[in-house]
Order: sequence, then C-alpha cells, then structure tokens
Amino acid sequence: AQKITQTQPGMFVQEKEAVTLDCTYDTSDPSYGLFWYKQPSSGEMIFLIYQGSYDQQNATEGRYSLNFQKARKSANLVISASQLGDSAMYFCAMREEGQNFVFGPGTRLSVLP
Amino acid sequence: DAGVIQSPRHEVTEMGQEVTLRCKPISGHDYLFWYRQTMMRGLELLIYFNNNVPIDDSGMPEDRFSAKMPNASFSTLKIQPSEPRDSAVYFCASTPSGDYGYTFGSGTRLTVV
Repeated sequence: AQKITQTQPGMFVQEKEAVTLDCTYDTSDPSYGLFWYKQPSSGEMIFLIYQGSYDQQNATEGRYSLNFQKARKSANLVISASQLGDSAMYFCAMREEGQNFVFGPGTRLSVLP
Repeated sequence: DAGVIQSPRHEVTEMGQEVTLRCKPISGHDYLFWYRQTMMRGLELLIYFNNNVPIDDSGMPEDRFSAKMPNASFSTLKIQPSEPRDSAVYFCASTPSGDYGYTFGSGTRLTVV
C-alpha cells in the first residue's frame, strides 16, 4: 500500500496566485514527521518545510505553509504568491519514528507568467 | 557548511564497466543515505548507514551494487558491472539523529550505454 499519495501529477498556477499541492499519508504510528521537498530542473532536492505529528500549529516557512489535518491524514503544501522560480517537482515525504523516509510520487508545478 | 557533496555530477559509462559514486556528508551527521531516482520508480532508498555502519541494505537491487562508508566523512556506491537499466540519478543524503529532514547532495546522473 502507498504510504504517501500525491494525486496531482501536474499543476498549473498563475504567477502571484496561491497554489495548494495535495498530500495524504498512511500510518498507524502516533509519532511521525512530514516533509516537503522541492526539486527544480537542475535536479537538487531542497528541503522546504517540516510538520511533526504532535505539533499543534501548522508549519510555516516564508511563502510556504503546511495545511496539516491530522484526522484526515493530509499534509497539503500551500505556496502563496507564486513565482516563476517555484516551477519544479514537489515531493511529500513521511518519516515514522525509527524509520526512514518514504517519498510520494511528486507533483510537477508550473508557474505561468 | 558546504552541504552534502557528491561526485561526479554526471557519469557516462559503457555497459559492463565499473562505476563508483562518491559522497561526503555534512560533518556531524550520523546518518547517510543513498537513493536512486528514476521516472518509473521515483525515489528509492538503496542503503543507509548510521555511524559508518550499514544498517539496512534491503533496497540494493542486486549483488552488482555495493556501498561502503570507511569513515564519517566519506561513502561510496559502486556498481560492477554496470547495465543500462542502472541509468538514474543517484542521491546521497545525510541527517543528524532524530526527526530532522534530510539534506541531499546535488546527485550524480548516471548514464550506462
């Protein structure tokens, strides 16, 4: 069974608009972390944001925020005020306690001028 | 901090040749991971080390693949003999203990012809 699901293979957004990238996960472990990574066309993997399963507040990092809905097991990434440089693949990942990362299949975001 | 350093960035080799990929983790990071990324299979964990000791190599596809970490600042992933289906981007990542995100290297794009 897929532990991380990203249902949007590709997304388009107009520059300066906000966009939400979906991520749902599957775990029975009460302690886990959720992560989002960005992979631009140059290929490197860039860490964006982290949400712990016990965190009460949604994580935010600049223009990135994580819409964490624990009961629904979803951890959507919200990018506000999209920029052309945001065009990239975005991977959602989960790390259960004592386990390694599991990555989702990714969503390709294209920001239109 | 220079980040996780991988070499080479690109490698083109002929089928049957030995290939060695190199990684220098971030100083002080106890964990080192080797991932492979392909279009078909996404990001796959091959092997990871903790304090230079291989912990889980269940992701290594077959005996042609081997990985070593002779000290805390250096790891190699070797493929011998290489095959065209090994063509992929190979990432090295490191992290300190605990619930931290991984820091990835820039990756090595391997092409086996």
